[in-house]
Amino acid sequence: QLQLRESGAGLVKPSETLSLTCSVSGVSIVTTRYYWGWVRQTPGKGLEWIGSVYETGSPFSGDNTFHNPSLKSRVTLSVDTSKNQFSLSLASVTVADTAVYYCARQVPVIGAAADYLDAWGQGTLVTVSS
Amino acid sequence: DIVLTQSPATLSVSPGERATLSCRASQSISTNLAWYQQKPGQTPRLLIYGASTRATGVPARFTGSGSGTAFSLTVSSLQSEDFAIYYCQQYNNWPATFGQGTKVDIK
Repeated sequence: QLQLRESGAGLVKPSETLSLTCSVSGVSIVTTRYYWGWVRQTPGKGLEWIGSVYETGSPFSGDNTFHNPSLKSRVTLSVDTSKNQFSLSLASVTVADTAVYYCARQVPVIGAAADYLDAWGQGTLVTVSS
Repeated sequence: DIVLTQSPATLSVSPGERATLSCRASQSISTNLAWYQQKPGQTPRLLIYGASTRATGVPARFTGSGSGTAFSLTVSSLQSEDFAIYYCQQYNNWPATFGQGTKVDIK
């Protein structure tokens, strides 16, 4: 049974880097069927898609990471297939980045440019404060 | 980005009654719309994708409909466990975007 679990620091200082890892159990993240992504939730802005990775296991697939342009170049996404994990780094954080961060499995749809999310982690609160 | 507008913001319904939630897109998104349910302190749960296809394990009392820019989620007879916040999400255009949610509470 698929489970996703976020881990990482719950308190980050302004201007520093937020780092989270999603551990996936029950299925391999090496797949051509799904993407693996991050979503955050704040009381003010609601749910916001952050980015995703696509890991097929092919050495020829290139950089299969995608991020929301609204976050500019602050997002870095990576995969550790040996641990069945994927990770998010968000640089130069401000108080506006305080949110509950979820990792999720994304289902691509033929004819659609983005994906829906069929499984979510339990979420982790990250607070940006000095 | 596609803007999704959900209405009403809050819907007060008695148990056993029917609830209809609306989601409007700022431009056509075909049927590339999903609905999620989120209970307090819990993670969002996928209810509907493709505007009208129920996800695995979702009761038949949940019905999604619509295409283009106008969508709705109907709960035919509200049960106690259905009182929650419901979000729509479009995945037709990149990046995916979410509505602000409709809270369904007990009347």
